[in-house]
Amino acid sequence: QSVLTQPPSASGTPGQRVTISCSGSSSNIGINYLYWYQQLPGTAPKLLMYRNNQRPSGVPDRFSGSKSGTSASLAISGLRSEDEADYYCAAWDDSLSGKVFGGGTKLTVL
Amino acid sequence: EVQLVESGGGLVKPGGSQRLSCAASGFSLSSYSIDWVRQAAGKGLEWVSSIRSRTTSVYYADSVKGRFTISRDNAKNSVYLQMNSLRAEDTGVYYCARDSSYFEDGMDVWGQGTTVTVSS
Repeated sequence: QSVLTQPPSASGTPGQRVTISCSGSSSNIGINYLYWYQQLPGTAPKLLMYRNNQRPSGVPDRFSGSKSGTSASLAISGLRSEDEADYYCAAWDDSLSGKVFGGGTKLTVL
Repeated sequence: EVQLVESGGGLVKPGGSQRLSCAASGFSLSSYSIDWVRQAAGKGLEWVSSIRSRTTSVYYADSVKGRFTISRDNAKNSVYLQMNSLRAEDTGVYYCARDSSYFEDGMDVWGQGTTVTVSS
């Protein structure tokens, strides 16, 4: 049981816009930054979004992040086949004094 | 090139010990915090431990507290994870990742991972 809750799967067709949600609590998302990681099959995770909505250099602006209260979401517009991957949200949890991940969302591009 | 390289994985018996290493190149590890994150086969990411730069404060997931110890050697530009009293549920790929001093900028550089298998 992950501290942060994500839907296990999401899907969309090329060109479509999809969103992935991440729900937490007042001890993590509610008071700390939220991060998103993308993990392509067989590879190490990659930082996709930091400080809720900041894109690292090289991440296309098709990816956007938002946070409100104890929930956050990752939006991918103009979906492409290469976006098919597992997506994880993460945050620092003040109650646990540690980092927490969501269970991950497997995105399928139909 | 900025990179992290993990080593030290392998097969270990339940109750045994293993030490993982994370070697940095292309940057000075002393300026960054380092995390260990693991992933069991077919499962999600699980944060294991972090060591902050400068203050060297350390943090552990409850699942490994008291069994794992994270440390750093800035002179060798390396971070280590000493794992004792290993259990079957510790099996997985262990990644080290770079984060900023106060964990604010996310884990922006990851190693390729090293596999630990705990089995008799």
